[in-house]
Amino acid sequence: QKEVEQNSGPLSVPEGAIASLNCTYSDRVSQSFFWYRQYSGKSPELIMSIYSNGDKEDGRFTAQLNKASQYVSLLIRDSQPSDSATYLCAVTTNTGFQKLVFGTGTRLLVSP
Amino acid sequence: DAMVIQNPRYQVTQFGKPVTLSCSQTLNHNVMYWYQQKSSQAPKLLFHYYDKDFNNEADTPDNFQSRRPNTSFCFLDIRSPGLGDAAMYLCATSRDGTRYGYTFGSGTRLTVV
Repeated sequence: QKEVEQNSGPLSVPEGAIASLNCTYSDRVSQSFFWYRQYSGKSPELIMSIYSNGDKEDGRFTAQLNKASQYVSLLIRDSQPSDSATYLCAVTTNTGFQKLVFGTGTRLLVSP
Repeated sequence: DAMVIQNPRYQVTQFGKPVTLSCSQTLNHNVMYWYQQKSSQAPKLLFHYYDKDFNNEADTPDNFQSRRPNTSFCFLDIRSPGLGDAAMYLCATSRDGTRYGYTFGSGTRLTVV
């Protein structure tokens, strides 16, 4: 079982719609969770972090965490074509020094 | 602006010819990481430095080495690049671990011919 799993997509949504991106993780004691956005050929950019169960909102982005289900999601409201990118879920490991483990990412396509 | 800078952005090297990628940071972060990312794959951690302490991932090939001469700079050396080493190499930094996520540099795209 992969440590961090994401649907590779592409997830296609029309402009103005809500995009919902999902991620599951295997390490039950992981404590920190991140969403990175990566445009094609570019490096990952941190857009959201979440540490406790529930929702965390930042502008058009909402991160949701459910530790019991080992599930984290990212909602993008009022999606824009500029949101078209790959979204990487990252989770801390808890073996020795904490490190980030990334999923393979979900490709999001927002059509005008 | 404080940042993480990787040079060069694009590197072409010959099969078997040693190559060095560089990373510098002005964030004064004590941890620096090197990730390898191949097309449509997750970034894969190769190793990290916690201050001066080098930490190698168990599955990182011996062909990959790293140096950190001071807090600001870190280098990735590939001793004998193979075609399978063509990838984006990402340098990242953090302060004391993962609590606030990592800051990534712009990456170096390595092509092996």
